[in-house]
Amino acid sequence: GEDVEQSLFLSVREGDSSVINCTYTDSSSTYLYWYKQEPGAGLQLLTYIFSNMDMKQDQRLTVLLNKKDKHLSLRIADTQTGDSAIYFCAEKETGGFKTIFGAGTRLFVKA
Amino acid sequence: SQTIHQWPATLVQPVGSPLSLECTVEGTSNPNLYWYRQAAGRGLQLLFYSVGIGQISSEVPQNLSASRPQDRQFILSSKKLLLSDSGFYLCAWSRGRPGPQETQYFGPGTRLLVL
Repeated sequence: GEDVEQSLFLSVREGDSSVINCTYTDSSSTYLYWYKQEPGAGLQLLTYIFSNMDMKQDQRLTVLLNKKDKHLSLRIADTQTGDSAIYFCAEKETGGFKTIFGAGTRLFVKA
Repeated sequence: SQTIHQWPATLVQPVGSPLSLECTVEGTSNPNLYWYRQAAGRGLQLLFYSVGIGQISSEVPQNLSASRPQDRQFILSSKKLLLSDSGFYLCAWSRGRPGPQETQYFGPGTRLLVL
């Protein structure tokens, strides 16, 4: 069945780069997303990538997709304390309403 | 601009009591609407989605139900809450047909604690 897996925690120092990894199982997934959830709040879409792309960069965020290994990563350059949050990886198949979310990776940024 | 509201923000209910959570969207018409539950330390679980008034699809069989009495209103209900219903409930909306532009926008969530 469909499944998205992420590590639960990541701790980095302020100014370092953060890399959050995700693996998914559904080979028909066409759209892959990264969402950010700050404490007590809803999810905010950070970025998404189509399955026919290998990389997407948006300011401090870089998304890398390895379709062969079904591996997605989010790199945050120059991580700031305001980046502390839970980051969710998600996938959706073409034409589907259902988005499958991972359990989220909690990012701690130490000053 | 579009906004999505959920209320209440926090709710503490006894086991066996009824539940009604409300979600409304402003600034758009005929949105796709979703209810998710986020249990502690887990990802989001899709509970229901709706593509139009009175059209509800259930993803997970359980003691919850959803209704869409108006175009931009989505209600999550239960007749009798269970302890396992505790969690963070998120409503989301999206526009148009599923596809690359169908980004979901989430509300602030309702934290439900069943005691």
